[in-house]
Amino acid sequence: EDQVTQSPEALRLQEGESSSLNCSYTVSGLRGLFWYRQDPGKGPEFLFTLYSAGEEKEKERLKATLTKKESFLHITAPKPEDSATYLCAVQALLSTGFQKLVFGTGTRLLVSP
Amino acid sequence: DAGVIQSPRHEVTEMGQEVTLRCKPISGHDYLFWYRQTMMRGLELLIYFNNNVPIDDSGMPEDRFSAKMPNASFSTLKIQPSEPRDSAVYFCASSSTVLETQYFGPGTRLLVL
Repeated sequence: EDQVTQSPEALRLQEGESSSLNCSYTVSGLRGLFWYRQDPGKGPEFLFTLYSAGEEKEKERLKATLTKKESFLHITAPKPEDSATYLCAVQALLSTGFQKLVFGTGTRLLVSP
Repeated sequence: DAGVIQSPRHEVTEMGQEVTLRCKPISGHDYLFWYRQTMMRGLELLIYFNNNVPIDDSGMPEDRFSAKMPNASFSTLKIQPSEPRDSAVYFCASSSTVLETQYFGPGTRLLVL
């Protein structure tokens, strides 16, 4: 069964304290891995797509990396405005021939000033 | 572009009532997705459409749920009759292809009493 596991469930950082969020996946026929940010009361906002092991993408203080079994979202010198839930999702090819995004349950990040 | 538009943003109803959620995808996007988000199960795909045709509805929980897409700019998700366990946030998303990034709407927060 296709599965996406994110850790930790919650993370509290001080402003400027760098850290990493983990997304491990078990999926057949990986077509892509997506990172989204979700603020309270809002829909998920797209951050990155990674397609192959070794690929990296960066945006401001965020960098996403991908291996064959997991992805990391590195946050460098975070600021309070980086506080949000970060969702990981994999595009899976189902046995039916359909494709769908399978989401993890997210990591809630709180950055204190 | 205004992004994905959903209405209503909040809905409170009583058990047994019919609920209709509405979505307008991003213009030019051929794929439309309906998701449900709960604390326990995270984001789950309910159904998706390609060019207004339902492709995969295996995530629709019961016959009480139905979805339609009468044209490229409008879709509905209907729950009839509603039950308290249907309380969740329902998101609509759209993308240009099934592999491309999905862009989410702001969601409809549903509470069934």
